[in-house]
Amino acid sequence: TQLLEQSPQFLSIQEGENLTVYCNSSSVFSSLQWYRQEPGEGPVLLVTVVTGGEVKKLKRLTFQFGDARKDSSLHITAAQPGDTGLYLCAGARASNTGKLIFGQGTTLQVKP
Amino acid sequence: DVKVTQSSRYLVKRTGEKVFLECVQDMDHENMFWYRQDPGLGLRLIYFSYDVKMKEKGDIPEGYSVSREKKERFSLILESASTNQTSMYLCASRYDRSAYFGPGTRLTVL
Repeated sequence: TQLLEQSPQFLSIQEGENLTVYCNSSSVFSSLQWYRQEPGEGPVLLVTVVTGGEVKKLKRLTFQFGDARKDSSLHITAAQPGDTGLYLCAGARASNTGKLIFGQGTTLQVKP
Repeated sequence: DVKVTQSSRYLVKRTGEKVFLECVQDMDHENMFWYRQDPGLGLRLIYFSYDVKMKEKGDIPEGYSVSREKKERFSLILESASTNQTSMYLCASRYDRSAYFGPGTRLTVL
């Protein structure tokens, strides 16, 4: 059972465009993480959001946790070729222990 | 910085061989995980451990076992490798709400 649905699965855009990736669930999560993975490498943690409605910014990346803690979004402003990669969201059902549930990922390609 | 290392980046084994994948973390994390990642299937949890000598099955434990004798080391064992275990294997450790991944091991079973 896929508890976290990411959309879109693939995204190909031109440098300078904006984009939003969505991570949705019918379940409530105590926290949600976003990762970026480059080919042949492990995922790298970008951010963790904990509070419903929370917004975090990382340079041109803006992450938001839904008010009900069931969904999240990642918005990239003025995308650059260096943003190319696989973006994964992951939710935690328990606060400190237990497994993370991953979305299927969004493959982003930013063309120069 | 948290560091999670995996013993091999690339591994080629033959069907029927016993395979050991090692993972070491240097941050004294209690929780450690093994995932496999396949195109179109995302990350699937094989096993996880929340303490030394403690382990729990994930979503796809068949054909795998694990060992956690020391807190910093979590090993994944393929008892008899099969071609359908060709995959990218990712180890992670977790503290509080965040997980940190190793670089992955690309395993090919011929």
